[in-house]
Amino acid sequence: GAGVSQSPSNKVTEKGKDVELRCDPISGHTALYWYRQRLGQGLEFLIYFQGNSAPDKSGLPSDRFSAERTGESVSTLTIQRTQQEDSAVYLCASSLNWQAPGKLFFGSGTQLSVL
Amino acid sequence: EDKVVQSPLSLVVHEGDTVTLNCSYEVTNFRSLLWYKQEKKAPTFLFMLTSSGIEKKSGRLSSILDKKELSSILNITATQTGDSAIYLCAVEPPAFTWGWAGGTSYGKLTFGQGTILTVHP
Repeated sequence: GAGVSQSPSNKVTEKGKDVELRCDPISGHTALYWYRQRLGQGLEFLIYFQGNSAPDKSGLPSDRFSAERTGESVSTLTIQRTQQEDSAVYLCASSLNWQAPGKLFFGSGTQLSVL
Repeated sequence: EDKVVQSPLSLVVHEGDTVTLNCSYEVTNFRSLLWYKQEKKAPTFLFMLTSSGIEKKSGRLSSILDKKELSSILNITATQTGDSAIYLCAVEPPAFTWGWAGGTSYGKLTFGQGTILTVHP
């Protein structure tokens, strides 16, 4: 597609429920990244994919968080048993490949609110 | 742990003013320093700086890196209401190892908390 697409744009859920966030990167971009942005803060790295593999999961905050990527395209970030502290904007970005300069192309994010 | 600090945290100016946004970092080694503009939610790329002392310019925006002072500034001249946004600074790590999995990702950026710029008419 023309840009990075994320869905849903907004998600309100109850504490304890599972949520799935989706990211469609720019066509042909083999590297894909998930970041989290809490209110009033900078972006926090979560996980990175090169192709369908995730060489760096170091930013995932807990084992409630997982992500996968299929077909070297779509990625899904899953948060199980959501907690209020998971409320944030979840941003996905892609780049041509992992060696490309750090010019990432970001999607518009998913605003997650956990009540 | 790498750290990026931006100042001021927020800034309110009037159209036509010139602003300077600061970014300082405590990073042992990095490949580049980047500036992004965030309107609503999606950050968009502004500049990538790799060499100290070389200014990058794009219209009314310019940026420079000072590796001696471990800092960078972003200047916006003749500000317009459309410049209102959050400006994010980030550093990009170097690649340490290379292998089939790709080693350290260039895209694992460490961001500052951002500067909220508001430009009034």
